[in-house]
Amino acid sequence: AQTVTQSQPEMSVQEAETVTLSCTYDTSESDYYLFWYKQPPSRQMILVIRQEAYKQQNATENRFSVNFQKAAKSFSLKISDSQLGDAAMYFCAYRSGATGANSKLTFGKGITLSVRP
Amino acid sequence: GAGVSQSPSNKVTEKGKDVELRCDPISGHTALYWYRQSLGQGLEFLIYFQGNSAPDKSGLPSDRFSAERTGGSVSTLTIQRTQQEDSAVYLCASSLMGQPNTGELFFGEGSRLTVL
Repeated sequence: AQTVTQSQPEMSVQEAETVTLSCTYDTSESDYYLFWYKQPPSRQMILVIRQEAYKQQNATENRFSVNFQKAAKSFSLKISDSQLGDAAMYFCAYRSGATGANSKLTFGKGITLSVRP
Repeated sequence: GAGVSQSPSNKVTEKGKDVELRCDPISGHTALYWYRQSLGQGLEFLIYFQGNSAPDKSGLPSDRFSAERTGGSVSTLTIQRTQQEDSAVYLCASSLMGQPNTGELFFGEGSRLTVL
């Protein structure tokens, strides 16, 4: 079974600075997807960024980028120019890409990010 | 609205009572998921529906939990004889299967259940 580990329960960043959130995962599969979701106080999970394992290029979405290290099974999220609205809980998630595989996501325990003004 | 809708938003019940939580997925999404988020924990998978296939119930924690999906759309999660450890936020998500399939799940705002 796949597992996702987020070892840092909390992090804090100064507004306008850069912060990196760590995530590692364990799988024997070669084809899979990785995601970072954001959960603000409203509780609704919002997709921040996704990465296909077969792509070597790291995904980027505006101020958000990932450092995907497939061999190390590491998938960290970098937030540049942090804004107050970035304060939320962030979850790393894994999904199998195998044909016919269940499409459910396996989540880490999340990390609470606070942004200092 | 166009998003995943869940009701009730908050539910307080007494230990031993049954509760029903409802999820209305995004129109056209054939896959539907229930997750549980307990305080300080990540998201725990409960059950997954995909089209007319048999649901994946492997995450249901006990036989007090059940879920159904009528007409391939609305889903109801039922918890019988609630216990205090059932207190959590129950999140529903839906996704589009087939192409294009980005793998993304779209979540509702959840139902917060408090068992006294």
